[in-house]
Amino acid sequence: EVQLVESGGHLVQPGGSLRLSCAASGFTFSTYWMTWVRQAPGKGLEWVANIRPDGNEKSYAESMKGRFTISRDNAKNTLYLQMSSLRAEDTAVYYCGREGLLLGAFDIWGHGTMVTVSS
Amino acid sequence: DIVMTQSPDSLAVSLGERATINCKSSQSVLYNSNNKNYLAWYQQKPGQPPKLLIYWASTRESGVPDRFSGSGSGTDFTLTISSLQAEDVAVYYCQQYYNTPSFTFGPGTKVDIK
Repeated sequence: EVQLVESGGHLVQPGGSLRLSCAASGFTFSTYWMTWVRQAPGKGLEWVANIRPDGNEKSYAESMKGRFTISRDNAKNTLYLQMSSLRAEDTAVYYCGREGLLLGAFDIWGHGTMVTVSS
Repeated sequence: DIVMTQSPDSLAVSLGERATINCKSSQSVLYNSNNKNYLAWYQQKPGQPPKLLIYWASTRESGVPDRFSGSGSGTDFTLTISSLQAEDVAVYYCQQYYNTPSFTFGPGTKVDIK
């Protein structure tokens, strides 16, 4: 079964750091672009970052540049999101997603992990 | 960035009736070299992650019921649910992937049963 499972979300103080993980299974992880999307409570979807299959090209939404770092370990079939200088407005469910090979769109999503930034 | 807008914000439709959601992009998402519209539709039910319904504006993802259809080109798109079922209650989002990697989503349209 094709699956993405996120972990690592929890309560963190403003200014703190957190690393999220996304474990992939059921497909050849190393051949896909991967992405992070977030959703603040009661709000819409916001793209965060993506990464090329070999990990050598990364892109970020403007508001995350310099604070978030996306990475991957193809040997472990795992995607990461290192977040630092966290703000209250970063509070959200963070989803990892697979960018479909011939689709362009995000065809597989994990169930998400909740990050709460609060003192 | 390409800005995506959706209308209406919400709608309530009787079971078995048609639901229509509109999506507009601030610039064309039609790539002329391959004549594809880089536009997707997602469904999100409460407490669940989004689910891909439609890509390339009108191609249904595998396993998606054929009551869901997408249409449009350039800057104006429509998602139609031909005969609303109870399990279709959800928020629907459009997304452009033309201006990658700056993917942008519409604000969402909530669909309920009347």
